[in-house]
Amino acid sequence: QITLTESGPTLVKPTQTLTLTCAFSGFSLSTPGVGVGWIRQPPGKALEWLALVYWNDDKRYRPSLKSRLTITKDSSKNQVVLTMSNMDPVDTATYYCAQTKIAAPRFDSWGPGTLVIVSS
Amino acid sequence: EVVLTQSPGTLSLSPGERATLSCRVSHISTTWYLAWYQQKPGQAPRLLIYDASTRAPGIPDRFSGSGSGTDFTLTISRLEPEDFAVYYCQQFDSSPYTFGQGTRLEIK
Repeated sequence: QITLTESGPTLVKPTQTLTLTCAFSGFSLSTPGVGVGWIRQPPGKALEWLALVYWNDDKRYRPSLKSRLTITKDSSKNQVVLTMSNMDPVDTATYYCAQTKIAAPRFDSWGPGTLVIVSS
Repeated sequence: EVVLTQSPGTLSLSPGERATLSCRVSHISTTWYLAWYQQKPGQAPRLLIYDASTRAPGIPDRFSGSGSGTDFTLTISRLEPEDFAVYYCQQFDSSPYTFGQGTRLEIK
């Protein structure tokens, strides 16, 4: 059974850097083809894809946010970390991580999400 | 960037009726890596359909996907009370892997 769980601060101040961790089980990021992505959703708004890292450390970023985002993986710990710098109130959202595969391009399994509020 | 435009924004129907949701893609899709997700309040999205027309495991057969090129459709043949939710399409054809803005399916 595949599970993913996001964790991180609920409240961050403007200009700070956000660090979110996705801890997963039921699959390995050492397995060829496997990837983990991050998606966010501002309150009452649509889903927005942010970043994705594959088993071979191939990384993809949303171009409009690329300068602020860093995604890293720790296959030994079954974790993926997303950092977003220079946080702004418009970054207030629920952040989700989800699993995908190159041979099966879709997000099959999602974490429950973690709400991040940006406010001074 | 590939833009996905979903219509209608809100669809008001009654249980038992048929729902047809549209997703238009700004660039012709050559791979049909188009997925549909269902999201209920306070929950994470759930994968319904992938590769435009393949139901994900455990998804009832009243859900079906179709389409190609730039126009894709999610059809719910007979609405059940638990189907009233927000539906998103997403493309995995090219990065960034964009989502549509969603269609809210509400009880009439």
